[in-house]
Amino acid sequence: EAGVTQFPSHSVIEKGQTVTLRCDPISGHDNLYWYRRVMGKEIKFLLHFVKESKQDESGMPNNRFLAERTGGTYSTLKVQPAELEDSGVYFCASSQELGETQYFGPGTRLLVL
Amino acid sequence: SQKIEQNSEALNIQEGKTATLTCNYTNYSPAYLQWYRQDPGRGPVFLLLIRENEKEKRKERLKVTFDTTLKQSLFHITASQPADSATYLCALDTYSGTYKYIFGTGTRLKVLA
Repeated sequence: EAGVTQFPSHSVIEKGQTVTLRCDPISGHDNLYWYRRVMGKEIKFLLHFVKESKQDESGMPNNRFLAERTGGTYSTLKVQPAELEDSGVYFCASSQELGETQYFGPGTRLLVL
Repeated sequence: SQKIEQNSEALNIQEGKTATLTCNYTNYSPAYLQWYRQDPGRGPVFLLLIRENEKEKRKERLKVTFDTTLKQSLFHITASQPADSATYLCALDTYSGTYKYIFGTGTRLKVLA
């Protein structure tokens, strides 16, 4: 069974540009989560989808971040326009049941210059 | 505010010994607690989940305890091996209409041959 995959693995962009991150959850997992880890800090929750619906987006930093999960399969996280403080590792995770084991992808390392 | 503390200092132990990692939390009562392993450049890998009504859980050489009175979880690796060297993260759920996890910063474990 394939795990959670994320694309790209790395992205280097300039301040003001747009970047779109993609996450493919484990097949059949209705729950999809986005997290972010900035340098030296803990992994922080961004938002949670159940199928195509946003259940909780309380962790999204501001309106420069837009997450979508059309069709309830893969998800995208777009940052527009990117700022220096957006640099970090963006993780996606999925789970079959609420509150149960979350399986993480390898992360996308974003560097905004 | 909700807070999770893990030993920020790296833990070095000799091969064959038992490693014990600590996770303390304040200001809330999680229903679930999870431990993850993270290797450099990779996403967190799920190890164990323990529920609030469980005192202890084991999986092969791993053991987790959960003391809701002390607000503490201990993570033990018995007969440690150099391959166990990694960063170990604890994560607790918070439920406010939806589940999301709060992570600690992790403890880096190094098992010396």
